Amino acid sequence: AQKITQTQPGMFVQEKEAVTLDCTYDTSDPSYGLFWYKQPSSGEMIFLIYQGSYDQQNATEGRYSLNFQKARKSANLVISASQLGDSAMYFCAMREGEDSSYKLIFGSGTRLLVRP
Amino acid sequence: GAVVSQHPSRVICKSGTSVKIECRSLDFQATTMFWYRQFPKQSLMLMATSNEGSKATYEQGVEKDKFLINHASLTLSTLTVTSAHPEDSSFYICSAHWSGTDTQYFGPGTRLTVL
Repeated sequence: AQKITQTQPGMFVQEKEAVTLDCTYDTSDPSYGLFWYKQPSSGEMIFLIYQGSYDQQNATEGRYSLNFQKARKSANLVISASQLGDSAMYFCAMREGEDSSYKLIFGSGTRLLVRP
Repeated sequence: GAVVSQHPSRVICKSGTSVKIECRSLDFQATTMFWYRQFPKQSLMLMATSNEGSKATYEQGVEKDKFLINHASLTLSTLTVTSAHPEDSSFYICSAHWSGTDTQYFGPGTRLTVL
């Protein structure tokens, strides 16, 4: 079974509008972490935002916010006021448990294209 | 902070040769480094986890004799692709982590092309 599912292979958004990228996860471990990374065409993976399973509030980092719905096992990324530079691949990832290896499991990604 | 570098950024080699890729944490000591492989239009696939001073832990299906990982210091890990073949052509990306943080910080990646 897929641990991390991103159902949107591609998304379009108009510049200055908000967009939500979906991510659902599957784990039976009560302790886990959820991450979003951005990968522009140059290839580097840029860390955007982190949400811990015990965090009471949704994480926010500037224009990025994570809509964490624990019961539904979803961790959607919301980008507000989209900019042309936001066009990239976006990956959701999960770290399970308190395992000291801190391995990440990645979803298949969503390609976002911001239209001017 | 949390800058990770990779060298080289791009390498082209002949089939049968070996290629070494370096991953360095520039402003922190990385207790753990990870090596990923990414095929075009696909997600990252974890190859191995490397802790300083100990042998790397390889994921299922990754040949440890083909992909040699050395993590000699808290700031440097190397991946050597031995006897490279065209099917090894891919984007290799490393990440680094230190205890006390949940986040992995990624290098810029190395694009390997084997002719």
